[in-house]
Amino acid sequence: DAGVIQSPRHEVTEMGQEVTLRCKPISGHDYLFWYRQTMMRGLELLIYFNNNVPIDDSGMPEDRFSAKMPNASFSTLKIQPSEPRDSAVYFCASSPGGGLVGELFFGEGSRLTVL
Amino acid sequence: AQSVTQLGSHVSVSEGALVLLRCNYSSSVPPYLFWYVQYPNQGLQLLLKYTSAATLVKGINGFEAEFKKSETSFHLTKPSAHMSDAAEYFCAVSGDSGTYKYIFGTGTRLKVLA
Repeated sequence: DAGVIQSPRHEVTEMGQEVTLRCKPISGHDYLFWYRQTMMRGLELLIYFNNNVPIDDSGMPEDRFSAKMPNASFSTLKIQPSEPRDSAVYFCASSPGGGLVGELFFGEGSRLTVL
Repeated sequence: AQSVTQLGSHVSVSEGALVLLRCNYSSSVPPYLFWYVQYPNQGLQLLLKYTSAATLVKGINGFEAEFKKSETSFHLTKPSAHMSDAAEYFCAVSGDSGTYKYIFGTGTRLKVLA
């Protein structure tokens, strides 16, 4: 079975450019999460969706960040304009839901470097 | 509010020795607790989870963890370390009211010495 698929795996861009990260969750999973991992701050939840609806976006650092989930099989995380401090590994994860808090299935991450 | 504290950002053990990674939690509701493992350049993978059933939880790769409410702990153990266990390990607690707003610890990097 295909797991969570993220693209691109690596992105190098210059400050001020727009960055779009993409995620395809596991089919049938109702929850989708975006996390950011840095050495300084560890693993931070940015936003999560349930059935394509954003439930909690309190972790989104500022207005430069936005996330969408237009359908059950696709989500994007956009940074515009990007800044060097946005350099991190961004993980997408999905979960089947079903009433019990359960396992998160993580993608392999998108490593973003903003110069 | 929910939180987890992992004691020791780096732990080294000899191959064949006991692995003990410590996690203490704080929760305003009965928690769900998790241990995840991250290998280099990969995403996190679930090792085991506690969801209010048995207090001793067995996971993959020979790991287990014991939920101790009186100590607010959920330490991860493995009787005999293997070289392939070298990775970073994260403890996590579910959000308030059992929500999906998981809180992850800062991680413990395990090094296994030959």
